[in-house]
Amino acid sequence: AQTVTQSQPEMSVQEAETVTLSCTYDTSESDYYLFWYKQPPSRQMILVIRQEAYKQQNATENRFSVNFQKAAKSFSLKISDSQLGDAAMYFCAYRSGKAAGNKLTFGGGTRVLVKP
Amino acid sequence: NAGVTQTPKFRILKIGQSMTLQCTQDMNHNYMYWYRQDPGMGLKLIYYSVGAGITDKGEVPNGYNVSRSTTEDFPLRLELAAPSQTSVYFCASSYDRVWGRGTEAFFGQGTRLTVV
Repeated sequence: AQTVTQSQPEMSVQEAETVTLSCTYDTSESDYYLFWYKQPPSRQMILVIRQEAYKQQNATENRFSVNFQKAAKSFSLKISDSQLGDAAMYFCAYRSGKAAGNKLTFGGGTRVLVKP
Repeated sequence: NAGVTQTPKFRILKIGQSMTLQCTQDMNHNYMYWYRQDPGMGLKLIYYSVGAGITDKGEVPNGYNVSRSTTEDFPLRLELAAPSQTSVYFCASSYDRVWGRGTEAFFGQGTRLTVV
């Protein structure tokens, strides 16, 4: 079974600065997807960014970018120019590219605090 | 554009009571899921469905039942509620394309359930 580990329970960042969240995963598969979800106090799960394992290029969505290291099984999220609205829980998630059901396996989450 | 709708948003149950959490999606997604999120933790999969009439267990299915009679609806039944079922429950859906590269999961806003 796949596992996802987020080793940072909480990260603090100054507004307009950059913060990087760590995620490692364990899998024997070569075809898979990785995701970062944001969960603000409203509880809504919001997709931030996704990465296909077969793509070597790191995904970018505006101020959010990832560093995908397939050999190291590492998938970190960088938030640039942090804004107060970025304060939330962030979850890393894994999905097999072949197993039935497109099920997600989540990490334990990292809480991001943004200081004005 | 409702997406995934869960009801109720909050509920308090007494030990031994039963209830059904409702979930409806209007995106014609074939895959649907129920996850639970315990305080300070990531989401864990309870049950999932790959289409009407087809359901399967996830990581933590004990104490729950599901059914999928239509594409749109995927209710979660709690029988004999226990304090260990105090959690936030999320319904989600996704679409699996013909060639197997599915979409990301879309989540409902969650149901906060307390068993006392």
